[in-house]
Amino acid sequence: DGGITQSPKYLFRKEGQNVTLSCEQNLNHDAMYWYRQDPGQGLRLIYYSQIVNDFQKGDIAEGYSVSREKKESFPLTVTSAQKNPTAFYLCASSIVGGLNTEAFFGQGTRLTVV
Amino acid sequence: DAKTTQPPSMDCAEGRAANLPCNHSTISGNEYVYWYRQIHSQGPQYIIHGLKNNETNEMASLIITEDRKSSTLILPHATLRDTAVYYCIVRVSGIQGAQKLVFGQGTRLTINP
Repeated sequence: DGGITQSPKYLFRKEGQNVTLSCEQNLNHDAMYWYRQDPGQGLRLIYYSQIVNDFQKGDIAEGYSVSREKKESFPLTVTSAQKNPTAFYLCASSIVGGLNTEAFFGQGTRLTVV
Repeated sequence: DAKTTQPPSMDCAEGRAANLPCNHSTISGNEYVYWYRQIHSQGPQYIIHGLKNNETNEMASLIITEDRKSSTLILPHATLRDTAVYYCIVRVSGIQGAQKLVFGQGTRLTINP
């Protein structure tokens, strides 16, 4: 089945450690996105990528880094510089070109930093 | 970027039509209106989108006003499983044509038995 997969579903880390969240899609989509969601809040854009080896900062990129070495993969690293990393992280993908496209979301990774 | 405004919460009785409003008064001529919903602790799910004509699919109907400054998502026969947060989004373009999705706070819809 085609889709977008995030792993793991739950992740625990100690404060000060970097952690990488996985996002893989087999939909042949060029664009991929990372969002952060805090309790009771909407989604905020961290990074997005339109094509391999290229990505742009979203609204809250500080303390995060990404890579896009393959079309299918868009991993997100939460660095120790991120002051409040505990959140629900969502990855999405879509085709590029025109405005008549929808995004497909993964089921999210809930990161808890202790 | 066009912004959207939605009521923070709404209630609807099971079996009735749920009408969710959205204001997007600064929308530009080539921007589409998208609706997604998010059930607790899951990823958002696409529902429907439109440019200026009314749209209908198996999930919902989308009514866009003639001036395109507002729209209404209609769930014709709401069920308990429609309880979720509903997001109205205007699709924007970023650097080099990348397509950002900018989410607001959404409307928390509660379907009551």
